[in-house]
Amino acid sequence: NAGVTQTPKFQVLKTGQSMTLQCAQDMNHEYMSWYRQDPGMGLRLIHYSVGAGITDQGEVPNGYNVSRSTTEDFPLRLLSAAPSQTSVYFCASSRLAGGIYNEQFFGPGTRLTVL
Amino acid sequence: AQRVTQPEKLLSVFKGAPVELKCNYSYSGSPELFWYVQYSRQRLQLLLRHISRESIKGFTADLNKGETSFHLKKPFAQEEDSAMYYCALSGNFGNEKLTFGTGTRLTIIP
Repeated sequence: NAGVTQTPKFQVLKTGQSMTLQCAQDMNHEYMSWYRQDPGMGLRLIHYSVGAGITDQGEVPNGYNVSRSTTEDFPLRLLSAAPSQTSVYFCASSRLAGGIYNEQFFGPGTRLTVL
Repeated sequence: AQRVTQPEKLLSVFKGAPVELKCNYSYSGSPELFWYVQYSRQRLQLLLRHISRESIKGFTADLNKGETSFHLKKPFAQEEDSAMYYCALSGNFGNEKLTFGTGTRLTIIP
């Protein structure tokens, strides 16, 4: 099992550019989520999904879009990159057993810099 | 709204000394509490959760509903404990999304 994979590991964008951060998991987890990690602010939830075709906003969704066409994949799109989106992005997945959130498995992260 | 507070951004402890990482939460219902850890060059991973009542790598955490705290403790620190630690909360007995604290970077001094 590869677990949760993320690509790319590093990315530099110019203000206004768009891009997609890829996330995939091979554990057949229903729940997938995207976080951003900023110094002194911890991990903040951007978007999440409880299954294919179902997505919802987290704490800081502005400037990001997601879709969940398959159980395995949960890409995060930056529509028009801004310097405030410079961060480390983590994808995570977990089972949903009886509605109870289980242990979340995290990807290695994507370090994004927006100039 | 649920909130998790970790008052210490940085904590340095000598090897062999006791460790306590503080976590306080704000939630009106029944929370499920977790500690996640990120070692250098490794992924963020679950260390322990309240409902399991386990001791992992010598760490324990007790949920104190009166003080709304879930402090992480270890009696004798080891160098390999140096890492970033995040406290997290899931409301409604664990049926809601995780809310993370801001994290504490623990450094064990040899």
